[in-house]
Amino acid sequence: NAGVTQTPKFQVLKTGQSMTLQCAQDMNHNSMYWYRQDPGMGLRLIYYSASEGTTDKGEVPNGYNVSRLNKREFSLRLESAAPSQTSVYFCASGRGTTSSYNEQFFGPGTRLTVL
Amino acid sequence: KQEVTQIPAALSVPEGENLVLNCSFTDSAIYNLQWFRQDPGKGLTSLLLIQSSQREQTSGRLNASLDKSSGRSTLYIAASQPGDSATYLCALGPDSSYKLIFGSGTRLLVRP
Repeated sequence: NAGVTQTPKFQVLKTGQSMTLQCAQDMNHNSMYWYRQDPGMGLRLIYYSASEGTTDKGEVPNGYNVSRLNKREFSLRLESAAPSQTSVYFCASGRGTTSSYNEQFFGPGTRLTVL
Repeated sequence: KQEVTQIPAALSVPEGENLVLNCSFTDSAIYNLQWFRQDPGKGLTSLLLIQSSQREQTSGRLNASLDKSSGRSTLYIAASQPGDSATYLCALGPDSSYKLIFGSGTRLLVRP
């Protein structure tokens, strides 16, 4: 099993450009997540999908949109990139069928720079 | 608002030492607590998950405990090795929403 995979690994954008970060998991997990990690701010939840067909906002959703394409795939879109979105983005999936046993597994991350 | 704190921010120990990493939280009503390690430039690796009804979990040289009444979890690492050098993060599930709230991590260096 590949676990959680993310593409691309690195990306440089100019202000105003758009892009989509791709995430896929092969563990048959129901829930999927997008986080960003910034120095001094830790990991913060952007959006999550508790199950196929549902998405919800996390702590820092502004400037982002998500799509739960199917059970395996969860994409994150930046419509008009801003320098404040320079960060490392992590996708995760959760194997729990109940929230108390929802162990999360993370992908390797996408390092995004917005100039 | 739930807050998660990890102190110290950095720790350096000689190889072979037993050590404890700390994680504290402000609201005892949690669903679970998960410990991760993160190597530089890499993603997070899940180490242990403790459900709210449990007091501890063990995996190899690692033991994690949970005391909700005192708002504290500890990660015990026995016989530390240089390969244990990494940043250790705790994260808790505050409610039934499947979300996690992360601490800022403890950066561990195990010296040969």
